[in-house]
Amino acid sequence: GNSVTQMEGPVTLSEEAFLTINCTYTATGYPSLFWYVQYPGEGLQLLLKATKADDKGSNKGFEATYRKETTSFHLEKGSVQVSDSAVYFCALKRGYNKLIFGAGTRLAVHP
Amino acid sequence: GAGVSQSPSNKVTEKGKDVELRCDPISGHTALYWYRQSLGQGLEFLIYFQGNSAPDKSGLPSDRFSAERTGGSVSTLTIQRTQQEDSAVYLCASRLDENTEAFFGQGTRLTVV
Repeated sequence: GNSVTQMEGPVTLSEEAFLTINCTYTATGYPSLFWYVQYPGEGLQLLLKATKADDKGSNKGFEATYRKETTSFHLEKGSVQVSDSAVYFCALKRGYNKLIFGAGTRLAVHP
Repeated sequence: GAGVSQSPSNKVTEKGKDVELRCDPISGHTALYWYRQSLGQGLEFLIYFQGNSAPDKSGLPSDRFSAERTGGSVSTLTIQRTQQEDSAVYLCASRLDENTEAFFGQGTRLTVV
């Protein structure tokens, strides 16, 4: 079946550090891939997405590249800020099927 | 409204009681999802409505859980004979179509005591 695996948290970084949150997926066919973010006290919101192989999604300094050969969609940011502290969820969707989420990775950025 | 609205925002109920959680999706959105987020856990899929198609109920954890979507708009998630393990945040999301993002509500925090 389709599934998403992401690195366990929490991830704790100092401000301006480089961030990578790993995400790998298992799916039949060619899913669309997403990163959602949940800031403290807020609902989930879409951070970025990629719909086909080699696409790069980007937003707010975050990037993720759809790698079909490694079935991965790792989230990266070159210089994190305290305001990036949140829980990040990797997700996939195939066609009209449901969104499938990973377990989430909590990021804590300290000044 | 402008976003997905869920009510109530918080619900405390006694074990064994029934509860109803409501979701008002964004107007015109054809797809509607319910998820459950337990403390420290990821998002567990519960049920998915897409237009007039039969809902995907594959994520409902037991027959105590049911959901309906009336008129292709508002959805109600019902949990009968609540148990303590039902305590979680229940999230609703809607999507306009296949190629657009899903928008999430703020969730309903359910506590079963």
